[in-house]
Amino acid sequence: ILNVEQSPQSLHVQEGDSTNFTCSFPSSNFYALHWYRWETAKSPEALFVMTLNGDEKKKGQISATLNTKEGYSYLYIKGSQPEDSATYLCAFIRGFNKFYFGSGTKLNVKP
Amino acid sequence: DAGITQSPRYKITETGRQVTLMCHQTWSHSYMFWYRQDLGHGLRLIYYSAAADITDKGEVPDGYVVSRSKTENFPLTLESATRSQTSVYFCASMSGRDSYNEQFFGPGTRLTVL
Repeated sequence: ILNVEQSPQSLHVQEGDSTNFTCSFPSSNFYALHWYRWETAKSPEALFVMTLNGDEKKKGQISATLNTKEGYSYLYIKGSQPEDSATYLCAFIRGFNKFYFGSGTKLNVKP
Repeated sequence: DAGITQSPRYKITETGRQVTLMCHQTWSHSYMFWYRQDLGHGLRLIYYSAAADITDKGEVPDGYVVSRSKTENFPLTLESATRSQTSVYFCASMSGRDSYNEQFFGPGTRLTVL
């Protein structure tokens, strides 16, 4: 069984706070890491696809870093807004099309 | 409309019955996937398909059957439904040959097995 762990499980912050959460994965046989944003009653939507150690990706106020040697990725949200409230999923890909999702971090941003 | 659709969106069935969940995408993506979402487990891969007539098992394939006779369709069949298969099922598609591409997810099917 391959474990992809996300922490924390849930997070409650105030509007304007910056926040970050972690995706931990096995450091061997890394192929790619995906981050998805999943709003309630909707489908997951891709945020980032990360492939190289040291990768940093940014989309608006959301950014992500990747460390494949130690097996973790961080997702940062600067100045959270209520519309950022969602579950953030990471998916570790080992080998060809072997996707392993974490259970997600549920973010609630209070106005 | 372009995109990826699933039907039905909600289904209630009884233990032992056969159920087929449908997935249809209009992008001509090569790859399609079926996941189930359960509390505490996130999304778990059931089966995936690299092209028409090519399918492979994922993490939790037992009790499920898939087929892919056409690129745009990827039905998932529960041959004899069990209560443990009560879940939300998501279909996804992906273009290209490798996992560097993002997946696009359907709206999900909520299945209840009584």
